[in-house]
Amino acid sequence: GENVEQHPSTLSVQEGDSAVIKCTYSDSASNYFPWYKQELGKRPQLIIDIRSNVGEKKDQRIAVTLNKTAKHFSLHITETQPEDSAVYFCAAIAGNEKLTFGTGTRLTIIP
Amino acid sequence: NAGVTQTPKFQVLKTGQSMTLQCAQDMNHEYMSWYRQDPGMGLRLIHYSVGAGITDQGEVPNGYNVSRSTTEDFPLRLLSAAPSQTSVYFCASHTGSGAGELFFGEGSRLTVL
Repeated sequence: GENVEQHPSTLSVQEGDSAVIKCTYSDSASNYFPWYKQELGKRPQLIIDIRSNVGEKKDQRIAVTLNKTAKHFSLHITETQPEDSAVYFCAAIAGNEKLTFGTGTRLTIIP
Repeated sequence: NAGVTQTPKFQVLKTGQSMTLQCAQDMNHEYMSWYRQDPGMGLRLIHYSVGAGITDQGEVPNGYNVSRSTTEDFPLRLLSAAPSQTSVYFCASHTGSGAGELFFGEGSRLTVL
């Protein structure tokens, strides 16, 4: 089955700086890669996703890049703000509809 | 639309007791799933369903049962609770159109003593 590895497990950045979280996946058939944000005590919520036919997608301060050859994808947050502090999960899905999540990255924005 | 509704939000059990976590969605989604979240281990799939009457095992199914008699409901049963089942449980639904957004419930925090 699919295996998704996520790094780093914790990340602290100064407010205004950029943050990058990286994930690798094992199943070359995976074709959909979402990112979820989970604030403390809340449910995970989708913040951005990318499909295998696209190399990069951007939504305001958030962007995701995908390298199919290397089987890795990354989340980039620019101009970080205090409200970006949360746990972020990457995930990957192949054709069997079972989404596999990474282990999460706790991002802390330092004012 | 209420989205995905989970009950109860908190529950304390003694080892060996049984209970059911309820999950209901009003978005007419075919796909529903249960995850458990443990520190440092992310979200792990317990069981999932691709439609009424159809269920399948995920990554960590042992100790849990599910059924899907209607499109709306997907209860998770713990037949004989163990301390290892102490966790936060999330129910989720999605359209299942190859890839799409998972809509999560608010979560249920379960403690087994």
